[in-house]
Order: sequence, then C-alpha cells, then structure tokens
Amino acid sequence: EVQLVESGGGLVKPGESLTLSCAAAGFTFSSYAMNWVRQAPGKGLEWVAFISDASNYYADAVKGRVTISRDNAQNSLYLQMNSLRAEDTAIYYCARGGGCFGDTCYYPDYWGLGTLVTVSS
Amino acid sequence: DIQMTQSPSTLSASVGDRVTITCRASQSISSWLAWFQQKPGKAPRLLIYKASNLQRGVPSRFSGSGSGTDFTLTISSLQPDDFATYYCQQYHSFSWTFGQGTKVEIK
Repeated sequence: EVQLVESGGGLVKPGESLTLSCAAAGFTFSSYAMNWVRQAPGKGLEWVAFISDASNYYADAVKGRVTISRDNAQNSLYLQMNSLRAEDTAIYYCARGGGCFGDTCYYPDYWGLGTLVTVSS
Repeated sequence: DIQMTQSPSTLSASVGDRVTITCRASQSISSWLAWFQQKPGKAPRLLIYKASNLQRGVPSRFSGSGSGTDFTLTISSLQPDDFATYYCQQYHSFSWTFGQGTKVEIK
C-alpha cells in the first residue's frame, strides 16, 4: 500500500526557516517524480514545487525561498523553507506524480495527510 | 502559467440530483486533467484522471469528459457522501494549477 507521511510543520515567526519531510512507503520511490502542494486555511490548492531525477521546478510565490530535495536511499522528500511569511501559512501535502515524459503526463495519484505550517509573530 | 477556471463556485443540490461542474483551461491541455474531491480536514481524493478515466475504487456515478480547454465533472445521482469541495487540476505542465474549487452543498 502506498503511504506518504509528512512531518516537520509547526509554528514559526516571520523570517524564520523550517524543513518539511515526507516519508514514502509501498512503492519504488526513486522511480517517481514528487511534489509539494499547499492549502492555506479556507483556500484552494496551490502547487509549490516539483522534483524528478533530472530537474526541480518552483512556483513563483516561493522561488528563491524554498528548496525541494529527495533522498532516494531513505525514501524521503524534503522541502526547506526560508524567509517564511504569513502568506506561507498552510497545510503542506506531498504528492506523487508530475511531469511529462515521452507521450505521458503523470497526475498526482497519492497524497499524504499533510502537515500544518503556521507563520505568525 | 496555465489558468484553470471552475464554475460554479458553490452549488446547492439535493440527494438524487444530477450535478455538473465545469472547468476551463486558459490554453489547451489535451486530456491532462484530473478531478479531486476534498472533505474538511482531509487530503484531496483523486476521482478522475486523463479527463475521463475513473480512478480505481471511485463510484461509477462520477464521470468526466472534455479535452483541449473545456472539461466537465458529472455526478449522475448525488449521494450524501458526495457533499464536498471539488477541484479540477491540469498536469500538462510541470507547474500544476488547480481550479478555485466548487463546494457542493445540501439544498
């Protein structure tokens, strides 16, 4: 069974840093692209970052402040967030999939339960 | 970035009703569109992928159609468990974008 479990969220002050983790199980982690998606309280879904073996992409709202990384040996995905702002307050989900390779594009078929990041003074 | 526009934002319906939600992309995304259901406090649940393919385990009352820029999610006979918020999502590009959501409420 595919499982994605996020951790690392919490309450931080504006300007501080935080690193989120996503532990993957039940599939060959290294074979899949991965993403972070966030949802501010009472708002819709917003894609944050993508990582494959060859490339990383970031949403404009976080570019320059966020770094996505992965450790295939540990089946883990990470999101390092710096210079946090109040508008970064959200539930952060990791999601499997993404990218277009050859003739196929890959949808987010599995999501974790999310971890809440609150940025407030 | 590809913009996704969903309508309506809110929909009031009764059990047994046929419900239709539309989603329009700002440029062609072929059939690279997914639909999700989300309930309060829960992660999104995949319903439909590649515009019209039903995800395993999803009831057959859910269906999707469309290609290019215009897409539709239909619930053929609304059930009590279906009251939730629904999102469309394009995955034609690395930078996914989502519609703003449609909340299906009890009439």
